[in-house]
Amino acid sequence: DTGVSQDPRHKITKRGQNVTFRCDPISEHNRLYWYRQTLGQGPEFLTYFQNEAQLEKSRLLSDRFSAERPKGSFSTLEIQRTEQGDSAMYLCASSLGGRIDTQYFGPGTRLTVL
Amino acid sequence: DQQVKQNSPSLSVQEGRISILNCDYTNSMFDYFLWYKKYPAEGPTFLISISSIKDKNEDGRFTVFLNKSAKHLSLHIVPSQPGDSAVYFCAASGTGTYKYIFGTGTRLKVLA
Repeated sequence: DTGVSQDPRHKITKRGQNVTFRCDPISEHNRLYWYRQTLGQGPEFLTYFQNEAQLEKSRLLSDRFSAERPKGSFSTLEIQRTEQGDSAMYLCASSLGGRIDTQYFGPGTRLTVL
Repeated sequence: DQQVKQNSPSLSVQEGRISILNCDYTNSMFDYFLWYKKYPAEGPTFLISISSIKDKNEDGRFTVFLNKSAKHLSLHIVPSQPGDSAVYFCAASGTGTYKYIFGTGTRLKVLA
């Protein structure tokens, strides 16, 4: 059991650059979630996928953010034209689905925008 | 609009004693609750869950209590161990959505 993995673990970029993060869920999990966490806060929901379908998006997810899960396995989160306010930990989680939807988190990608 | 609140940012407990972490919520539609533990530089680790049809769930040293009328849940850890030192988050979701709303966390320090 390899758990949820995320790559990279850390990313430093300059304002205005684009960044892309990858998440590999637990293999049999059909749901995948993206959250963002800033200092002193709990994770904030961004979006989630059921297989390859993106079913819900938060208002936090501006037009500069896009997420994909093309084959229902791994997912990518892209941020275009990064801003300093995008600096945060980006967490991915996956779950088996069903009403009892326990989500298992990856280690996160820490983004710093200079 | 903080729908899930953890009003104690930190808690210190002596090893072997009980740790009680509290969580309040405002949305009466929430019907499923999770507790996570988070160490620095790691993602949250699932601890225990409870659905609104129950008022208690136990798993080893961890017990979660739910008081629906008060919109309050608590996590009891007994006996507390130094390895329990971490930030604890409660999270809630409601019918029709699978997104969780997280509290701001409580930092638990278990003193040896």
